[in-house]
Amino acid sequence: DQQVKQNSPSLSVQEGRISILNCDYTNSMFDYFLWYKKYPAEGPTFLISISSIKDKNEDGRFTVFLNKSAKHLSLHIVPSQPGDSAVYFCAAGGAGSYQLTFGKGTKLSVIP
Amino acid sequence: EAQVTQNPRYLITVTGKKLTVTCSQNMNHEYMSWYRQDPGLGLRQIYYSMNVEVTDKGDVPEGYKVSRKEKRNFPLILESPSPNQTSLYFCASSGTPGEKLFFGSGTQLSVL
Repeated sequence: DQQVKQNSPSLSVQEGRISILNCDYTNSMFDYFLWYKKYPAEGPTFLISISSIKDKNEDGRFTVFLNKSAKHLSLHIVPSQPGDSAVYFCAAGGAGSYQLTFGKGTKLSVIP
Repeated sequence: EAQVTQNPRYLITVTGKKLTVTCSQNMNHEYMSWYRQDPGLGLRQIYYSMNVEVTDKGDVPEGYKVSRKEKRNFPLILESPSPNQTSLYFCASSGTPGEKLFFGSGTQLSVL
């Protein structure tokens, strides 16, 4: 049973517009959530995270929103740039745990 | 520079020939983990280790072994590789529960 789901395998967005990547989870014990970005031939790199006590975290062009009642989080990229084209993984972890559960990823393509 | 180093980056081998993929981190992290990435399946955890001499199975441990004799090293061993182990492998580490994982650059393994 998939505890972290990214239902869109791919997403195409025009340069300068907003990219919205979605993630749903089923385990109410998850306490923190992270987004990773992965380019081809490289390892995933940490992008942004949010704790369950918050509903929003912002870092430059990247904002993560958390809706605990809906068990849903989203990553907003504004404005999108061609260099943002990558696979984005959503991940979730329990309180005090190192273990992360990953979604299957969404491939974002930003079209110039 | 803080990093997780995997070797080799690329490996082609034949069925049944034992191989080891090395992983080393220079951040004094307690937690280390191995993942495999396959198309449409995202990142799946193979094994993890909370500390020296402490290892545990992840979601897909069959056909793999690990050891943690020193804090910095966490090798992945395939005693008798099979074609279904052809995949992209990532090692990761973390120093604090609830914080991000640092990933290596990956090892692309092909088993013929």
